[in-house]
Amino acid sequence: GAVVSQHPSWVICKSGTSVKIECRSLDFQATTMFWYRQFPKQSLMLMATSNEGSKATYEQGVEKDKFLINHASLTLSTLTVTSAHPEDSSFYICSARTYQGTGKYFGPGTRLTVL
Amino acid sequence: QKEVEQDPGPLSVPEGAIVSLNCTYSNSAFQYFMWYRQYSRKGPELLMYTYSSGNKEDGRFTAQVDKSSKYISLFIRDSQPSDSATYLCAMNFGNEKLTFGTGTRLTIIP
Repeated sequence: GAVVSQHPSWVICKSGTSVKIECRSLDFQATTMFWYRQFPKQSLMLMATSNEGSKATYEQGVEKDKFLINHASLTLSTLTVTSAHPEDSSFYICSARTYQGTGKYFGPGTRLTVL
Repeated sequence: QKEVEQDPGPLSVPEGAIVSLNCTYSNSAFQYFMWYRQYSRKGPELLMYTYSSGNKEDGRFTAQVDKSSKYISLFIRDSQPSDSATYLCAMNFGNEKLTFGTGTRLTIIP
């Protein structure tokens, strides 16, 4: 199956700093990548959809200036949490759509803890 | 009302038992249905992907879709301790956006 990686897997940062999370499709080209957030014991909530070479589409209630998404190539998308605060602490998961569009493959997730 | 309802559990069953996991949904426009398995602190892993009503079998797993009742199920036969995880149902309209259930936490007791 398609493999999606994320880096880092776990990050701890101080309040007010920015954190960048990378999502890579390792063995396929992903024209579309998705960023989700998952709070403990809750389901995945879609934050934004990014298409290679264009601006991301954010879900209602997600601050685009706080969660910067860049999808510069067909194998890499980045999510930058700017001026992170403790309430941003969560599990961030990306997924990538294969070219054929048959199902979604998820990365292993990045656990962000903001102190 | 949530678009997708899923009992969060927890659900505990003895090893070897048949497990039944279910989701209901409210929007009849959903066309594609998926089941994901998520181990603790890991990303979801796609288990089953279905489109039409009926059953789809893959090894010990069977996915069932009943569009008339807006009800989907995942059955796990001969359950193993390694099946212990959170199981998420997800669905979409054929576009990109997935709508997830809250997930059911399953524990298989040896």
